[in-house]
Amino acid sequence: QQPVQSPQAVILREGEDAVINCSSSKALYSVHWYRQKHGEAPVFLMILLKGGEQKGHEKISASFNEKKQQSSLYLTASQLSYSGTYFCGTETSGSRLTFGEGTQLTVNP
Amino acid sequence: DSGVTQTPKHLITATGQRVTLRCSPRSGDLSVYWYQQSLDQGLQFLIQYYNGEERAKGNILERFSAQQFPDLHSELNLSSLELGDSALYFCASSSTPSGTGELFFGEGSRLTVL
Repeated sequence: QQPVQSPQAVILREGEDAVINCSSSKALYSVHWYRQKHGEAPVFLMILLKGGEQKGHEKISASFNEKKQQSSLYLTASQLSYSGTYFCGTETSGSRLTFGEGTQLTVNP
Repeated sequence: DSGVTQTPKHLITATGQRVTLRCSPRSGDLSVYWYQQSLDQGLQFLIQYYNGEERAKGNILERFSAQQFPDLHSELNLSSLELGDSALYFCASSSTPSGTGELFFGEGSRLTVL
């Protein structure tokens, strides 16, 4: 079953923060986050496994709330290079990695 | 460069035709996933193979089929093509059989059905 992402789109100015949410109605084994720039292939950002841990590198981090079947991606002090569509992918007991509809992030100067 | 190779990059064909998309996974990766991305849409999971065996099926139409060969490359066959099949088809590879490993995506094969 496809996870639900919110918001669908967000526009920021450089230096602002953003949060992208991902939720599922099923128990999750793992949550992946990918970023896709227009016309390019999706690129891996991070993966979160069961355990509620928070991961990240530099100014992009994510959390995984196992009880609520939710994950959030945090982008702090956004840069122009952060623009793109962010996808969360979830794996449950019944399905392989299934992606949400994506969140389009635009960072303006 | 992800290390995943997809051919052809672009393909234009007519309705009713059949095409084959090819994917070579990253060296050492045993798992291959196929995804369909229609214009400005999300990534729809089609099918996954692991070491030659079908591992999981998603929303793959009966007109579509896939296989993974002993050398681990995979092919996605699309037949009786319809206008709605026009999309970007991505192949991704991973070293794990489940979704606990990073997926490396190829550049995609853009299919246009006229």
